[in-house]
Amino acid sequence: EAGVAQSPRYKIIEKRQSVAFWCNPISGHATLYWYQQILGQGPKLLIQFQNNGVVDDSQLPKDRFSAERLKGVDSTLKIQPAKLEDSAVYLCASSLDHNTGELFFGEGSRLTVL
Amino acid sequence: QKEVEQNSGPLSVPEGAIASLNCTYSDRGSQSFFWYRQYSGKSPELIMFIYSNGDKEDGRFTAQLNKASQYVSLLIRDSQPSDSATYLCAGESSNYKLTFGKGTLLTVNP
Repeated sequence: EAGVAQSPRYKIIEKRQSVAFWCNPISGHATLYWYQQILGQGPKLLIQFQNNGVVDDSQLPKDRFSAERLKGVDSTLKIQPAKLEDSAVYLCASSLDHNTGELFFGEGSRLTVL
Repeated sequence: QKEVEQNSGPLSVPEGAIASLNCTYSDRGSQSFFWYRQYSGKSPELIMFIYSNGDKEDGRFTAQLNKASQYVSLLIRDSQPSDSATYLCAGESSNYKLTFGKGTLLTVNP
């Protein structure tokens, strides 16, 4: 079974530039999550999708971050404009449904903002 | 603010010893708790979950939950160098939202 796919793995941009990350969840997983993990900290939920609807985006900085999940499968997370404090690993995860804590994480996209 | 706190570490144990990782949580409505292992530069992977008071054993791993004390722990028996990683504790609230702690870095010395 293929795991959660993410791209790009690494991205370096200057502040005020934009960046987009892509995620393809495990086939059949209804729930998709984007987490931000800053070095030395635990993952912080940015947004949770159930199929193609948003369940929780309470911690998403909506003035600069946006996300969508097309047709309830792939998802993109965009940051525009980026700030220095956005430097982090962006983890995509999926689960069979929303009522389980068993998440399957992708390898992550490491963002460095200079 | 619902929080999950972990002993900051780093924790260093000799090979073959028992490693004890601890976690406390503030949300009394939390139903279940999950332990994820994260190797350096890798993504988290689930190793155990627990939702009932008491102990749950899986091989060399034992998870313990005490809801009255709002305390969760993970014991690793016969620790191996391959167990060296960051261990993340996560609590699941009544609306199924996971909150992660900062993690505890465990090093098992050969």
